[in-house]
Amino acid sequence: DGGITQSPKYLFRKEGQNVTLSCEQNLNHDAMYWYRQDPGQGLRLIYYSQIVNDFQKGDIAEGYSVSREKKESFPLTVTSAQKNPTAFYLCASSIRQQRLNNQPQHFGDGTRLSIL
Amino acid sequence: KNQVEQSPQSLIILEGKNCTLQCNYTVSPFSNLRWYKQDTGRGPVSLTIMTFSENTKSNGRYTATLDADTKQSSLHITASQLSDSASYICVVGDRGSTLGRLYFGRGTQLTVWP
Repeated sequence: DGGITQSPKYLFRKEGQNVTLSCEQNLNHDAMYWYRQDPGQGLRLIYYSQIVNDFQKGDIAEGYSVSREKKESFPLTVTSAQKNPTAFYLCASSIRQQRLNNQPQHFGDGTRLSIL
Repeated sequence: KNQVEQSPQSLIILEGKNCTLQCNYTVSPFSNLRWYKQDTGRGPVSLTIMTFSENTKSNGRYTATLDADTKQSSLHITASQLSDSASYICVVGDRGSTLGRLYFGRGTQLTVWP
């Protein structure tokens, strides 16, 4: 079955530690996204990538980094510079130029990150 | 400022009853409006997508309406089931960027009781 796989489901970070969240898709989508979800708030865009080897900052990129070396993979690193990393992180993918085709974003089942 | 507001924040209904969730937006220029269902601890799943020219779209027991003039949308759920308990998120896309920027509402938390 085609879809998006995020791992791990739960992750704990120590002070001063960088952690990496995995996102893999087999939908052959060009575009991939990372969102952060906090209780009672709408999803906020961290980073997005429309094509391999290219990515752009979203609204809350500070303290995060990404790479897009392969079409199917878009890992997110939460660095020690992110002072409030506790949240639910969602990865999504879509066809490129989704605004022209009004196609949905497909989401993974998220990674919940907590601070030890 | 582009915003998406949903109401009510939470809703409890009895199994078998109908309900309607509301979404108001100020996103401009408008491209499309999406409704997603998010079960607890899972990622959102797309229910409907409507463009400017569409004013209603159905997906099984879910029917979404769109009034682009008043910038309002509603999601009507018919004959609710226990499995409908979830957060329903309204998402509005703009056409002012190549990406097609999406603006997310905070969601309405629906609980269906037996």
